[in-house]
Amino acid sequence: DIQMTQSPSSLSASVGDRVTITCRASQGISNYLAWFQQKPGKAPKSLIYAASSLQSGVPSKFSGSGSGTDFTLTISSLQPEDFATYYCQQYNSYPFTFGQGTRLEIK
Amino acid sequence: QVQLVQSGAEVKKPGASVKVSCKASGYTFTGYYMHWVRQAPGQGLEWMGWINPNSGGTNYAQKFQGWVTMTRDTSISTAYMELSRLRSDDTAVYYCARSAVAGTALAWFDPWGQGTLVTVSS
Repeated sequence: DIQMTQSPSSLSASVGDRVTITCRASQGISNYLAWFQQKPGKAPKSLIYAASSLQSGVPSKFSGSGSGTDFTLTISSLQPEDFATYYCQQYNSYPFTFGQGTRLEIK
Repeated sequence: QVQLVQSGAEVKKPGASVKVSCKASGYTFTGYYMHWVRQAPGQGLEWMGWINPNSGGTNYAQKFQGWVTMTRDTSISTAYMELSRLRSDDTAVYYCARSAVAGTALAWFDPWGQGTLVTVSS
């Protein structure tokens, strides 16, 4: 199975900050990587697919990059509604696997 | 709009089975694979497998083989996930999630159902 490792596991930031979350795959997955946002008690929501493509309706403050094994999610100008848990997921091969999540908290 | 609506919360005893439904609307049900993902309390996301609503074909994660059954009823655009021989560590929120690209399972998930909490307790 492909292991997905996110860092950091948690992150404190202030409104207006720019943050970056990293996701590393245990083997190459080309660009078959997605990012999801999950708020407490809610289902995950798709943000980014194919490593860097923005899901329809998602604000451009979210951006993704990377290919192969190393990927990043960047969120610019943090707003209160952005504080949530973020997951990466590979869909290159079965079983699909997720990172352990990065909890973004207000400082 | 595309929407997935899941059945309500369940409480089951160890050893029992549970069947969760996921009703799709706003798109051609048979055109998109449906995945199932679970999340234990306070934990991360775990992919369980998919069903092809067109053919009924399935692909289960090895961990769940022999233990999970995914089916569908195309007449009512509904997918089902049944988990048998429940244990306490199967307590989780179970999500259905549609493959975002028609005709393939190898795609990201969008949208997701609202989730169904299954509690396994004696």
